[in-house]
Amino acid sequence: EVQLVESGGGLIQPGGSLRLSCAASGFTVSDSYINWVRQAPGKGLEWVSVFYRDGNTYYADSVKGRFTISRDNSKNTLYLQMNSLRAEDTALYYCARLQPPSNGKAAGYCDYWGQGTQVTVSS
Amino acid sequence: SYELTQPPSMSVSPGQTARITCFGDELPKKNAHWYQQKSGQAPVLVIYEDSKRPSGIPERFTGSSSGTMATLTVSGAQLEDEADYYCYSTDSSGDHGVFGGGTKLTVL
Repeated sequence: EVQLVESGGGLIQPGGSLRLSCAASGFTVSDSYINWVRQAPGKGLEWVSVFYRDGNTYYADSVKGRFTISRDNSKNTLYLQMNSLRAEDTALYYCARLQPPSNGKAAGYCDYWGQGTQVTVSS
Repeated sequence: SYELTQPPSMSVSPGQTARITCFGDELPKKNAHWYQQKSGQAPVLVIYEDSKRPSGIPERFTGSSSGTMATLTVSGAQLEDEADYYCYSTDSSGDHGVFGGGTKLTVL
């Protein structure tokens, strides 16, 4: 059974750092594509970053230069290192497995999602 | 930056048909996917690759895409379909995901 479990969230002061974890089971992280998506309180979904199985990563402009994805194959876990945190980074952070498209058009889809981990940036 | 545009809200009576639209300049070349999110829950995929329905999703959920518009149709909406619905695709690079702003569907 495919599962994703996020952890590592919490209350952090502006300018601080956090590392979120996305522990996967039922599939291999290193062979997969994974999105990070966040949702601020009362707001919509916002794409944050993507990890490709070839190791390439891409980030939203709002977090580029501050957030970094890494992985630990031995733990089948993906990480989101978040530095220089701002109040506007406050959100519930989800990781989701991204399936590549199969119909000749670009844009894959997230088929499995974790339950999210809450990040609150406040003094 | 690239945007997907959805109506913020929609209301239908039980048994009626709800059609939720998503506009984006890249949609002629990119797939549109749809997620349902109920209050306090993680999003659930209801339509992928414009019109495909994952296993376990009721047949009343259908999707289509033509030109710059993708549409999620809920035929014979039920009370349990009340939720926020988001379209998702990518920008011109294909590497940056984009969500629509979400449509709150009320069934009453």
